[in-house]
Amino acid sequence: DAGVIQSPRHEVTEMGQEVTLRCKPISGHNSLFWYRQTMMRGLELLIYFNNNVPIDDSGMPEDRFSAKMPNASFSTLKIQPSEPRDSAVYFCASSPGQGIGEAFFGQGTRLTVV
Amino acid sequence: AQSVTQLDSQVPVFEEAPVELRCNYSSSVSVYLFWYVQYPNQGLQLLLKYLSGSTLVKGINGFEAEFNKSQTSFHLRKPSVHISDTAEYFCAVSERGSNYQLIWGAGTKLIIKP
Repeated sequence: DAGVIQSPRHEVTEMGQEVTLRCKPISGHNSLFWYRQTMMRGLELLIYFNNNVPIDDSGMPEDRFSAKMPNASFSTLKIQPSEPRDSAVYFCASSPGQGIGEAFFGQGTRLTVV
Repeated sequence: AQSVTQLDSQVPVFEEAPVELRCNYSSSVSVYLFWYVQYPNQGLQLLLKYLSGSTLVKGINGFEAEFNKSQTSFHLRKPSVHISDTAEYFCAVSERGSNYQLIWGAGTKLIIKP
């Protein structure tokens, strides 16, 4: 398996623009997570899906952030409008969902909002 | 798990010397324990995990960790480090029955001195 695939790897956008990050989880995994990593705040869980259904979105910073999982092989994280403080590395991770919690991470998307 | 504490934000060590990265957690229930490694500009990769059984767990790249229930610790060790071990190491815990929630430590940067 190719692992968790994220695109793009790097994104530079202007403040106010819409940004969409994409993720393809490992085939057969039924749990998907979006994380954000910054120097100041470390690794933060934004949202968790199980069987394509959002289970916990309490980590989503504000209404500018939204995430979807239309099917088992694709998820998006959208920021609209983007702000400079959204600059971070965003990771997608998937898990077999056996109740253990082990997660497999993608390479991340480095987002810079100028 | 209520929290995960990585006591050292940075650990400098000479090449070929032994190293221990410390991790303590607090939880009122049984847990699963993980160490992840993040190389520069990459995603997080599972290094090793404790689910049950022997408290000494061996992982990739010569690392091992020991689960100590009485001290609620899961310290990571390597007898002889290499320059390629330069990375950030994250301890994570999931509570049995939580189904998904990984509680993360703040990370420890391992700095290998030549």
